[in-house]
Amino acid sequence: KAGVTQTPRYLIKTRGQQVTLSCSPISGHRSVSWYQQTPGQGLQFLFEYFSETQRNKGNFPGRFSGRQFSNSRSEMNVSTLELGDSALYLCASSPRTSGGKETQYFGPGTRLLVL
Amino acid sequence: AQSVTQLDSQVPVFEEAPVELRCNYSSSVSVYLFWYVQYPNQGLQLLLKYLSGSTLVKGINGFEAEFNKSQTSFHLRKPSVHISDTAEYFCAVTPYNFNKFYFGSGTKLNVKP
Repeated sequence: KAGVTQTPRYLIKTRGQQVTLSCSPISGHRSVSWYQQTPGQGLQFLFEYFSETQRNKGNFPGRFSGRQFSNSRSEMNVSTLELGDSALYLCASSPRTSGGKETQYFGPGTRLLVL
Repeated sequence: AQSVTQLDSQVPVFEEAPVELRCNYSSSVSVYLFWYVQYPNQGLQLLLKYLSGSTLVKGINGFEAEFNKSQTSFHLRKPSVHISDTAEYFCAVTPYNFNKFYFGSGTKLNVKP
């Protein structure tokens, strides 16, 4: 099976702009989670989508949003970018059939630089 | 609320030496425990996980971890490391019935020849 794919891999934006990141989960996986990774804050959970619905949410401002499509692909949007949004954004997928027991499979990430 | 503490931000070790990466967690509910590894410019890869049963869990690449409920610890060990083990290692917990992972701050393992 193909792994989790994320596009684009690298992105440069300026403050105030918005950005959309894409994630394609492993075939058959219905849950997609997003994480932000920064040197200062480490790995932080953004949100999880399952069956096109947001099921869990982390402590991020409303500028961070996401959605999931019927084919389980997910997009994450960040509006009004700030310098502090520069990070590696990781997407992870899982079957989500047995709660937290499942392994989350991570994509390679999208590295966002905000200037 | 859940939190994960990885006590060592960096661990230097010589090749073929044993290593232990420490992880302690705090949670008001029961959790599952995981160790992930991240190689440079890559995503995270699962090393091993503890769900229930035997407290000693074996994973890939010769790693193992022991769950200690009384000390709320889940330390990762390898008896003999290789240069290729140089990477960053993350401990994570997720509450039962939730698909929300809480990660530690990571430990950079630097294996020297």
